[in-house]
Amino acid sequence: GAVVSQHPSWVICKSGTSVKIECRSLDFQATTMFWYRQFPKQSLMLMATSNEGSKATYEQGVEKDKFLINHASLTLSTLTVTSAHPEDSSFYICSVWDRGSYEQYFGPGTRLTVT
Amino acid sequence: RKEVEQDPGPFNVPEGATVAFNCTYSNSASQSFFWYRQDCRKEPKLLMSVYSSGNEDGRFTAQLNRASQYISLLIRDSKLSDSATYLCVVNDGGYNKLIFGAGTRLAVHP
Repeated sequence: GAVVSQHPSWVICKSGTSVKIECRSLDFQATTMFWYRQFPKQSLMLMATSNEGSKATYEQGVEKDKFLINHASLTLSTLTVTSAHPEDSSFYICSVWDRGSYEQYFGPGTRLTVT
Repeated sequence: RKEVEQDPGPFNVPEGATVAFNCTYSNSASQSFFWYRQDCRKEPKLLMSVYSSGNEDGRFTAQLNRASQYISLLIRDSKLSDSATYLCVVNDGGYNKLIFGAGTRLAVHP
């Protein structure tokens, strides 16, 4: 499967600041990547679908102006959490979609803590 | 009703035991089904895809019942290293969005 990295693996920031999370597909050209969020003891929830060269598609209830997604190349998608608040503290995970196998391969996740 | 429902557990079993997890899904148009494994504070990792005819991978057997919209995972001869949360995952039918169950926690003890 595809190898996916995320950076940073964890980040602590102050309320009101913005944080950028990078998702890289190291060995696979990903036209589609997904961003998920997971709160403790809950399931992964899809936030948005990131498409290379076009605007992301956001799930219902996810604020597109707060969670900015950029997918400028086939190997990199970024998620920027703007004006972060403590309730944004979560585990953010990206995945790349292999259209051939219909499988998704996940990055190691980024743990965000907003103080 | 949740789109994918699982018993949260935990299932506490001794080494060598056989344990079964069940999952139901609500979207009859779903076409792809998976079991993922997630260790604490880690990303999910694909354990196996689930096919209509059922499939086996070593100690793991997955079954799909489309009529009942039910998926199962059987783990035989449990190992300590099997301790994890097992996520039932289905696609949403029309697009390749994955819907995750909340997971079933398994703890295998000596």
